[in-house]
Amino acid sequence: DAGITQSPRHKVTETGTPVTLRCHQTENHRYMYWYRQDPGHGLRLIHYSYGVKDTDKGEVSDGYSVSRSKTEDFLLTLESATSSQTSVYFCAISESGHVNTEAFFGQGTRLTVV
Amino acid sequence: DAKTTQPPSMDCAEGRAANLPCNHSTISGNEYVYWYRQIHSQGPQYIIHGLKNNETNEMASLIITEDRKSSTLILPHATLRDTAVYYCPGTNAGKSTFGDGTTLTVKP
Repeated sequence: DAGITQSPRHKVTETGTPVTLRCHQTENHRYMYWYRQDPGHGLRLIHYSYGVKDTDKGEVSDGYSVSRSKTEDFLLTLESATSSQTSVYFCAISESGHVNTEAFFGQGTRLTVV
Repeated sequence: DAKTTQPPSMDCAEGRAANLPCNHSTISGNEYVYWYRQIHSQGPQYIIHGLKNNETNEMASLIITEDRKSSTLILPHATLRDTAVYYCPGTNAGKSTFGDGTTLTVKP
């Protein structure tokens, strides 16, 4: 299995509080991604990174920010959590950003905003 | 950009072959067809990929039509542990997009 660790695995937080999710990889892959998955639906891309300090928005980036200060770590921050951000968040990595590249996924973080 | 279409759900009897279709009529000529699966809310897992030729690995076989507008993932002898959501990702702005996939239920 690819070396991807997401933390925390589960979190309950209150509306309006900031939350940071962490993705750590040991594969030295250049690209890292954050997705969210709502019940019964597929994954939607939030943000991705193509190198240290290089990030870009995905299709559902509003309300989220990211940072990548080291190759191995990609942080997702919810500045002020809302109930609509209750979801399962997956981190993924790939060697390149080309679509012809296999992606490896973490085990997910289940976030509940109450 | 390549939009993919998959049936929302399929059933398969244990021990039988499961054939999961994917329509990708707008795929570019140099884009590979990838398949992933997601077992019970775990992270998606890569299964197989191909460009033009049929491919086989220890998990599955992939049949791509000659015009590349569709493909079929084949699990030759489905087991209960193959019950999962299967994705044939499309692309949008150069990034893979995972729709709702096909929920495969393998029944005893």
